[in-house]
Amino acid sequence: GAVVSQHPSRVICKSGTSVKIECRSLDFQATTMFWYRQFPKQSLMLMATSNEGSKATYEQGVEKDKFLINHASLTLSTLTVTSAHPEDSSFYICSAREWSSGSADTQYFGPGTRLTVL
Amino acid sequence: AQSVSQHNHHVILSEAASLELGCNYSYGGTVNLFWYVQYPGQHLQLLLKYFSGDPLVKGIKGFEAEFIKSKFSFNLRKPSVQWSDTAEYFCAVNAGTGGFKTIFGAGTRLFVKA
Repeated sequence: GAVVSQHPSRVICKSGTSVKIECRSLDFQATTMFWYRQFPKQSLMLMATSNEGSKATYEQGVEKDKFLINHASLTLSTLTVTSAHPEDSSFYICSAREWSSGSADTQYFGPGTRLTVL
Repeated sequence: AQSVSQHNHHVILSEAASLELGCNYSYGGTVNLFWYVQYPGQHLQLLLKYFSGDPLVKGIKGFEAEFIKSKFSFNLRKPSVQWSDTAEYFCAVNAGTGGFKTIFGAGTRLFVKA
């Protein structure tokens, strides 16, 4: 099946620094990628939808200046958490939609990135 | 707006017991429905999905789900669970009209006793 990778898998940073998380679709082209946040023992919360070559669409309550998303190619989207604070500590998961007529609505998920802000 | 509710937050079963996890959604139009599983320490994996056709969908590892349109439900079932089914299960919905956003339920944590 389709594979999505994320890098890094874990990151610890100091408060006030920025962190970039990469999401790659390894064996398919993804015109659309999604970024989720998962708090402990809770479900996935959609943060933004990223379309290749255009600006991301953010969900209500998600600060676009804090969570910068770039989807520069059909296989790569990045999420940059700017000026991170301890409350940004979370598990960030990306997913990619495979573009083919039979599976346009199936998302494949990355393994997630655990961010800890000290 | 779409929403998804999963009735059980925690379920504990013995091996060989039957499983049914409830999922209801609210959306009046055409929907695509999914069940995902997240094993401990692993990432989300697709168990099964419904787009159209036969409302009884069979997925991997012996799981199946039935779409009942009149009840806005998509319950997940397995006749006989195994210890290895211990995981968290998420129901998800996206609008079939091309809304592209997938909304997840809160998840059900299943623990199967050996």
